[in-house]
Amino acid sequence: ETGVTQTPRHLVMGMTNKKSLKCEQHLGHNAMYWYKQSAKKPLELMFVYSLEERVENNSVPSRFSPECPNSSHLFLHLHTLQPEDSALYLCASSQAHAPMVRNEQFFGPGTRLTVL
Amino acid sequence: GENVEQHPSTLSVQEGDSAVIKCTYSDSASNYFPWYKQELGKGPQLIIDIRSNVGEKKDQRIAVTLNKTAKHFSLHITETQPEDSAVYFCAARGTGTSYDKVIFGPGTSLSVIP
Repeated sequence: ETGVTQTPRHLVMGMTNKKSLKCEQHLGHNAMYWYKQSAKKPLELMFVYSLEERVENNSVPSRFSPECPNSSHLFLHLHTLQPEDSALYLCASSQAHAPMVRNEQFFGPGTRLTVL
Repeated sequence: GENVEQHPSTLSVQEGDSAVIKCTYSDSASNYFPWYKQELGKGPQLIIDIRSNVGEKKDQRIAVTLNKTAKHFSLHITETQPEDSAVYFCAARGTGTSYDKVIFGPGTSLSVIP
């Protein structure tokens, strides 16, 4: 266990559905991340929240909408997705603003998303 | 921005042999280079990291080397075991952000044959 949990682990949705992915970290970290992992492609950074403020939006389509209500929770709201959005969505957390601390990102197990 | 390349994309070795994975990065300001291991059904997990003020770091069977001049860094696994089979990602972190903006390489799928 890494201290980062993600639910659900698997999700199948149609293109007209609305769903949400949830991430929770139990490590006391102050930064949280959403990544997209597709087959044969590098991990793609989607969003970053640092101290509960969004500090990075990596040209992600508006059909993906993140929410960070507090430093322990991160959501990714999904609506009108496309089949090419099918991928593993990984959440991570780290202790940013701490130059003397090991800058390790702790990943959750991911949500395997399939868009039909 | 930073770009990280990684080779090979797949690697098969016999149990007990060594495995080497090589990466290059583009941003000379990058100062932190972690390596992650991703097993099937799990998220990536940090296995070793190196900072730009160090040329080599070792942890049991795993070692990482860094050549800042050439902007190369490598992962070495000795005496490989079947449980080393996984996908390995190198990464580089630059400066100038208030969070850990880490750019990942595309990954190397390592298979250790018993």
